[in-house]
Amino acid sequence: GAGVSQSPSNKVTEKGKDVELRCDPISGHTALYWYRQSLGQGLEFLIYFQGNSAPDKSGLPSDRFSAERTGGSVSTLTIQRTQQEDSAVYLCASSLGGAGHITDTQYFGPGTRLTVL
Amino acid sequence: GQNIDQPTEMTATEGAIVQINCTYQTSGFNGLFWYQQHAGEAPTFLSYNVLDGLEEKGRFSSFLSRSKGYSYLLLKELQMKDSASYLCAVTGGFKTIFGAGTRLFVKA
Repeated sequence: GAGVSQSPSNKVTEKGKDVELRCDPISGHTALYWYRQSLGQGLEFLIYFQGNSAPDKSGLPSDRFSAERTGGSVSTLTIQRTQQEDSAVYLCASSLGGAGHITDTQYFGPGTRLTVL
Repeated sequence: GQNIDQPTEMTATEGAIVQINCTYQTSGFNGLFWYQQHAGEAPTFLSYNVLDGLEEKGRFSSFLSRSKGYSYLLLKELQMKDSASYLCAVTGGFKTIFGAGTRLFVKA
């Protein structure tokens, strides 16, 4: 079946512009995660959606970052007034459930490489 | 606070065995995952431990000691394609925390 897809695969933007990154999770997966990964670094948690519950936004680095998940499926991560330090690969993952079991296995999309000039 | 520690880099020889350690301190624990990430690619699932002991999966095994907050990933019969980063992740409650990853270099 189809895996997690993300678009665009690459995005180059100018400092100060807004960008939107899209994630299509695996059908039926109730949990969706956004991470950021800078070159050679680990995964930085950004935000987590679980079903209809309020999202866990504790990882968002500033109020320039926001995300929504419509209809429990597709998610959009928006970065307003981009800065050069926002340059990174943005990874989306989905899992069947979020209860900390094997169903919490996360399936990652290919990522969006964001470059802010 | 919540913390996951892994060595930053390791180097091993093709055909050898390597053990990648992970220690964690988290406010809750529901399971521990290992993911593999090749350069320029997304992480992929390797293993899951919820009970103490060893889980074996072909050339890869993962061990967990909950009382010690400790896990390791054991890779046997190393191949060049095993050169990658290995991420330890702990799920506590409804949140998963990733370690920074261990970059493994396999040399001929």
